[in-house]
Amino acid sequence: EIVLTQSPGTLSLSPGERATLSCRASQSVSSRNLTWYQQKPGQSPSLLIYATSSRATGIPDRFSGSGSGTDFTLTISRLEPEDFAVYYCQHFGNSPFTFGQGTKLEIK
Amino acid sequence: QVQLVESGGGVVQPGRSVRLSCAASGFTDFGKHGMHWVRQAPGKGLEWVTYIWFDGRDEDYIDSVKGRFTISRDNSRNTLYLQMNSLRVEDTAIYYCARYIEDNIGGRFDYWGQGTLVTVSS
Repeated sequence: EIVLTQSPGTLSLSPGERATLSCRASQSVSSRNLTWYQQKPGQSPSLLIYATSSRATGIPDRFSGSGSGTDFTLTISRLEPEDFAVYYCQHFGNSPFTFGQGTKLEIK
Repeated sequence: QVQLVESGGGVVQPGRSVRLSCAASGFTDFGKHGMHWVRQAPGKGLEWVTYIWFDGRDEDYIDSVKGRFTISRDNSRNTLYLQMNSLRVEDTAIYYCARYIEDNIGGRFDYWGQGTLVTVSS
């Protein structure tokens, strides 16, 4: 089983700042198999980034993904008020298709 | 527009059973998509639970539900199911169904349902 570890657990930033979220895998993950989701309170998760760096439809270009092997990063270049949420990474390598434990991005 | 609507949740006693449904609409190729269930315990993170292949011929589960949960689908009814037996307190969660899509770039859950809450309590 691939374990995904996200850091930090909580990130406190102000609107306009840059956010960098990390997702580290316990074993190598193909770049095509790493996704990121955003979840706002009381809502279902929604797709942000797939295949490490491809933005989902309608996702603004302030969101970007990068990485390879065991280290992946989600970057939000300039935080907007609506970006404060919880972010999860997930892999689609071999089952089980585990999620990271999440990073909560909160307003400082 | 694509919609996934879960139903069947509620309060159930430990050891009892419940069947969740996920009705898909707004797209015509339900039978061409793998489908998954993901759960989220109150105040916790996302946990992948199970998937079923587009034609139902392959499936898998997390270890903690193997032998107790069964995923199935009826492509003629555009509906996904999750039969949950021998329920435990730790199965308490919101259960989401999610549509899987894969292309030459990669795979992902492109649509999620709104979730249905299952509370296992005596």
